Amino acid sequence: DGGITQSPKYLFRKEGQNVTLSCEQNLNHDAMYWYRQDPGQGLRLIYYSQIVNDFQKGDIAEGYSVSREKKESFPLTVTSAQKNPTAFYLCASSITWGGRNEQFFGPGTRLTVL
Amino acid sequence: AQSVTQLDSQVPVFEEAPVELRCNYSSSVSVYLFWYVQYPNQGLQLLLKYLSGSTLVKGINGFEAEFNKSQTSFHLRKPSVHISDTAEYFCAVTTDPIYNQGGKLIFGQGTELSVKP
Repeated sequence: DGGITQSPKYLFRKEGQNVTLSCEQNLNHDAMYWYRQDPGQGLRLIYYSQIVNDFQKGDIAEGYSVSREKKESFPLTVTSAQKNPTAFYLCASSITWGGRNEQFFGPGTRLTVL
Repeated sequence: AQSVTQLDSQVPVFEEAPVELRCNYSSSVSVYLFWYVQYPNQGLQLLLKYLSGSTLVKGINGFEAEFNKSQTSFHLRKPSVHISDTAEYFCAVTTDPIYNQGGKLIFGQGTELSVKP
């Protein structure tokens, strides 16, 4: 079955540590996205990638970094510079960037900073 | 820039009753509109979308929505809800990438639908 996988489902981090969230898709989509979800705030865009080896900052990129070395993979690193990283992180993909194209979502990773 | 407002943060309703979840958007150019559903601790699933054409859009699980350009609204409706419809619902708007800030999907704050027996 085609889809998006995210791992791990739950992640605990000590303050000052960097952590990397995995996102893999086998839908052959060009575009991929990372969102952060906090209660009562909807989803906010962290980074997006329109094509392999290219990515752009979204609305809340500070304290995060990404790479897009393969079409299938778009890992997100939460760095120690992110002041409040505890949140639910969602990865998504679409056939091409933006507009009328439906975004497909992974199951999410819940990050908790201890 | 585009924005989305979901007018109700929580909507409690009894099973088999009708429900309407309200969504208003702001945009100076033509829009594409989406409703997504999220069950607890899961990702989002598309319910329905408006791209063009008929303003009444039918989606999965018996949901439908009506695009009203004059009122800049895209309210979601279901004539009879089930316990299994309990979830959070998100309205989202985007525009064509040729426009400034276009292409990005902007989400509302979400509405928690709670269906009670």
